[in-house]
Amino acid sequence: DSGVTQTPKHLITATGQRVTLRCSPRSGDLSVYWYQQSLDQGLQFLIQYYNGEERAKGNILERFSAQQFPDLHSELNLSSLELGDSALYFCASSGTGWSHAEAFFGQGTRLTVV
Amino acid sequence: KNQVEQSPQSLIILEGKNCTLQCNYTVSPFSNLRWYKQDTGRGPVSLTIMTFSENTKSNGRYTATLDADTKQSSLHITASQLSDSASYICVVSAERSGGSNYKLTFGKGTLLTVNP
Repeated sequence: DSGVTQTPKHLITATGQRVTLRCSPRSGDLSVYWYQQSLDQGLQFLIQYYNGEERAKGNILERFSAQQFPDLHSELNLSSLELGDSALYFCASSGTGWSHAEAFFGQGTRLTVV
Repeated sequence: KNQVEQSPQSLIILEGKNCTLQCNYTVSPFSNLRWYKQDTGRGPVSLTIMTFSENTKSNGRYTATLDADTKQSSLHITASQLSDSASYICVVSAERSGGSNYKLTFGKGTLLTVNP
């Protein structure tokens, strides 16, 4: 168990809908990262937050947004969902925002858009 | 463009055998390189992280090497076990300015199957 908790584990929704994925980082970790993993792609970095502020942005679509709350948990909001958004979404946390910090991954949320 | 290429895409070996996975990168400026193990449907787990000055690092039966000159890394697994069946992902960090401003580039992974 990495100590990173993601909910829900599975989510099935229809195209055009909006969903929210939740991540609780390891106790004391300030940095949260979101990743998308599709069947035909490797892990794609979406966005990073550090202590409530956006730190880095990757290949995140405009339909997607995220935030990190004062208690350090984070939410990833996906709207106007398309079939191609079906993927595993991972959250990771690290103690600091430094590049050499080890990141611990949650078990992921499997999103299926039908 | 920053890229991480892993080979082979997939590999099947018999239990007890050794194997080596390759990672070539064009990421710049290089900060560190990580190997992760990802079991099917689960989150990746870190195996090793290596900086520019390190050329070998071990974690049990896993040994990673790094040649920063040729921009190549390898992950060697010794005496494979059935539980080693997983995807192995190479991740390279490029540091833009200072340690807190960086970008991670992921390889697509090597899928290793260990058969009895």
